[in-house]
Amino acid sequence: DTAVSQTPKYLVTQMGNDKSIKCEQNLGHDTMYWYKQDSKKFLKIMFSYNNKELIINETVPNRFSPKSPDKAHLNLHINSLELGDSAVYFCASSQAGGDTGELFFGEGSRLTVL
Amino acid sequence: EDQVTQSPEALRLQEGESSSLNCSYTVSGLRGLFWYRQDPGKGPEFLFTLYSAGEEKEKERLKATLTKKESFLHITAPKPEDSATYLCAVQAVDTGFQKLVFGTGTRLLVSP
Repeated sequence: DTAVSQTPKYLVTQMGNDKSIKCEQNLGHDTMYWYKQDSKKFLKIMFSYNNKELIINETVPNRFSPKSPDKAHLNLHINSLELGDSAVYFCASSQAGGDTGELFFGEGSRLTVL
Repeated sequence: EDQVTQSPEALRLQEGESSSLNCSYTVSGLRGLFWYRQDPGKGPEFLFTLYSAGEEKEKERLKATLTKKESFLHITAPKPEDSATYLCAVQAVDTGFQKLVFGTGTRLLVSP
């Protein structure tokens, strides 16, 4: 039973399109995150939600809009996709705001923008 | 700005050949330093949390240590299954609980 699951695993799309990635966790955690990993494997936080409330928004373009319908789900919608949006997007969750540093990551969603 | 630098970028070892990975960090006030392992095509998997200089944590063939400026991940007698990218991350006191700043990782390949 997967702890943090993301769909889809792969997306290939054209510039200018809109796409969404969904994430669900069954760990009972209050905090969820979106991280972006670029081609050089650099992993950078984008957003963090605690119990459906946005806590961190790391100067991400407003084409990216996260939504948390409940504390077990965090979705990411991206408008007007650009070439530079190509990356692997990871969803993660943690207990207690993540102060132990123990995040549970999904397997990632690889987005390719052509 | 908080920064994490890992070295080397890549490391190739023979099975049984021990070595260390380095993580240097610059942070305004360290809340914690974390090591993760990432296998190809997978998400990072948590290994250790270190909170203060002098602290050590061990798990099987891995041992993580922390000083005021850097952390080391020592790998003793590695096996091929230890091949992965090892990521270091820091959490600063003034950025709150939820923000981890990651380094770019060390890709470890252990040959039989």
